[in-house]
Amino acid sequence: AQSVAQPEDQVNVAEGNPLTVKCTYSVSGNPYLFWYVQYPNRGLQFLLKYITGDNLVKGSYGFEAEFNKSQTSFHLKKPSALVSDSALYFCAVRDLRDAGNMLTFGGGTRLMVKP
Amino acid sequence: NAGVTQTPKFQVLKTGQSMTLQCAQDMNHNSMYWYRQDPGMGLRLIYYSASEGTTDKGEVPNGYNVSRLNKREFSLRLESAAPSQTSVYFCASSNDPSARAYNEQFFGPGTRLTVL
Repeated sequence: AQSVAQPEDQVNVAEGNPLTVKCTYSVSGNPYLFWYVQYPNRGLQFLLKYITGDNLVKGSYGFEAEFNKSQTSFHLKKPSALVSDSALYFCAVRDLRDAGNMLTFGGGTRLMVKP
Repeated sequence: NAGVTQTPKFQVLKTGQSMTLQCAQDMNHNSMYWYRQDPGMGLRLIYYSASEGTTDKGEVPNGYNVSRLNKREFSLRLESAAPSQTSVYFCASSNDPSARAYNEQFFGPGTRLTVL
């Protein structure tokens, strides 16, 4: 069975500082990994994905994520946070070994960027 | 392009009432999905449709039915609403040939449903 964990309910960071939102996953095969962002009263928006290749993936709005197979992690990062980055962030995984599997989402991490 | 649209935006039902949530996409996507979002639980897949005329159960299908009316529209029906179905419902679509999450999903704005 596939699963994904976001260990922090909330991350607080000052504007201009680097930010990290953590995600760990569990699959039996190779993973597809995604990050989505949700602004208040809106649907989720795609940020970036890892399918294969370079472990460092760059996405929208200056975000990037690093795939670490040994640590089964896919942490979301940004070098310099903006107040407008404040939102709910979701990590999602799909195990390629099981053809019947759909995307599994983590519980979400609320990012608060303070001026 | 409107992307993915959902109606209604808000709904309050009494236990036992029925309703249909509507979803439409104008991106010519093959795959469409219905999720529910509950606090601290992320999004959970209710049903999905890999193509017109096909539907499959997701993680939490009990109490729901779906119809893929055509390539654009995918509706979710609650036949007899229960308080446990109070949630925010999101429809999504993707350009995946078999709904297997190769590509990003595009989400609608959501329907906030309360069942009393």
